[in-house]
Amino acid sequence: DIQLTQSPSFLSASVGDRVTITCRASQGISSYLAWYQQKPGKAPKLLIYAASTLQSGVPSRFSGSRSGTEFTLTISSLQPEDFATYYCQQLNSYLVTFGQGTRLEIK
Amino acid sequence: QVQLQESGPGLVKPSETLSLTCAVSYYSISNGYYWGWIRQSPGKGLEWIGSMYHSGSTYYNLSLKSRVTISVDTSKKQFSLNLSSVTAADTAVYYCARQMNYYDSGSYYPRDAFDIWGQGTMVTVSS
Repeated sequence: DIQLTQSPSFLSASVGDRVTITCRASQGISSYLAWYQQKPGKAPKLLIYAASTLQSGVPSRFSGSRSGTEFTLTISSLQPEDFATYYCQQLNSYLVTFGQGTRLEIK
Repeated sequence: QVQLQESGPGLVKPSETLSLTCAVSYYSISNGYYWGWIRQSPGKGLEWIGSMYHSGSTYYNLSLKSRVTISVDTSKKQFSLNLSSVTAADTAVYYCARQMNYYDSGSYYPRDAFDIWGQGTMVTVSS
């Protein structure tokens, strides 16, 4: 199984800040990595797939990148509605795993 | 707009089988996508259970594989999850979701993201 390790697990930031969340894969997964946003009591919402492709309707302040087995989600200027939990997820040989999540809270 | 809706018992007894159904609206299950189940234990992260293609091909989380069956009923526009021999550790919100795909050399393959999700259904395992 491929493991995904997100960091940090918890992040406190202010409106307008630029924040970065990292997801490291235990082995190479090409660019088959997605990012989700989840708010309490709601289903996850797809933000980015294929490491850097923005899902339709998602604000452009969200972006994704890849460097080897390290993937990054960046929010360029935090908005009040962005405070939530974020998950990365990969697909390899038809099998799926999720990262443990990063909780983003208002400072 | 594609919609997914989970349904099934909210309470299951230990050692019994958990059975859920996902109804797909405004889209054909047979139209090239893969369909999956994901769960989330209270206060915890997301765990993929498995995915399936309308042809019957299935792919399961290796840690759950011995207890999971995912099946499809295209005539009813729904797919189902059976999880046997449940324990309290299986208490979770269960989501069904559509898995994105790509087309290559005459076949569809799953890709890395679930783009449409149901609202989720809470299942508690307790006597």
